[in-house]
Amino acid sequence: GENVEQHPSTLSVQEGDSAVIKCTYSDSASNYFPWYKQELGKGPQLIIDIRSNVGEKKDQRIAVTLNKTAKHFSLHITETQPEDSAVYFCAASRNTGKLIFGQGTTLQVKP
Amino acid sequence: GAVVSQHPSRVICKSGTSVKIECRSLDFQATTMFWYRQFPKQSLMLMATSNEGSKATYEQGVEKDKFLINHASLTLSTLTVTSAHPEDSSFYICSARAETGEGEKLFFGSGTQLSVL
Repeated sequence: GENVEQHPSTLSVQEGDSAVIKCTYSDSASNYFPWYKQELGKGPQLIIDIRSNVGEKKDQRIAVTLNKTAKHFSLHITETQPEDSAVYFCAASRNTGKLIFGQGTTLQVKP
Repeated sequence: GAVVSQHPSRVICKSGTSVKIECRSLDFQATTMFWYRQFPKQSLMLMATSNEGSKATYEQGVEKDKFLINHASLTLSTLTVTSAHPEDSSFYICSARAETGEGEKLFFGSGTQLSVL
């Protein structure tokens, strides 16, 4: 069945450093790839997304890249801040239908 | 982004009782909503797809008679956990599809923490 693999499961960086989280999807028909940030006890918050007709998208300190051939997509956070600490989930779907989530990455940004 | 409101945020109930969770799209109409379940330190697992005016589509392994879904209007979907038991304790989250200036996106509610005693 459809599957999304996410790595690493935990990531600790120093404030100001960059963080990269990578995901691989199995369903070649997937064409929508969102990233969500989830804080403890809260629902996931959409932070950035990319569609299969685009290779890269940037929004201030956050960027996402997509390699359709390899079925990889990655989240890049630059100049990390303590408030970036949270669990990040990647997901894949066909036409914004049901989302298949990765396993999540716990990001800790040390002051 | 679009706002999805979920209520209640937390509920504690006795074993054998039923619990209803509401998911509302506040500033848009949602013909389709999704219900997820999340255990501590785990990812989100899709339980069912809720379609306005028709029956929900359940994922494999999800008991439709235990998790009743009703999507009676374009802004409201409800999930009822019937005859809840301790193993049903979990974080339940809904999401809805909304049209934005950048195409359709999926937004999530704030979640409901269910604890069954």
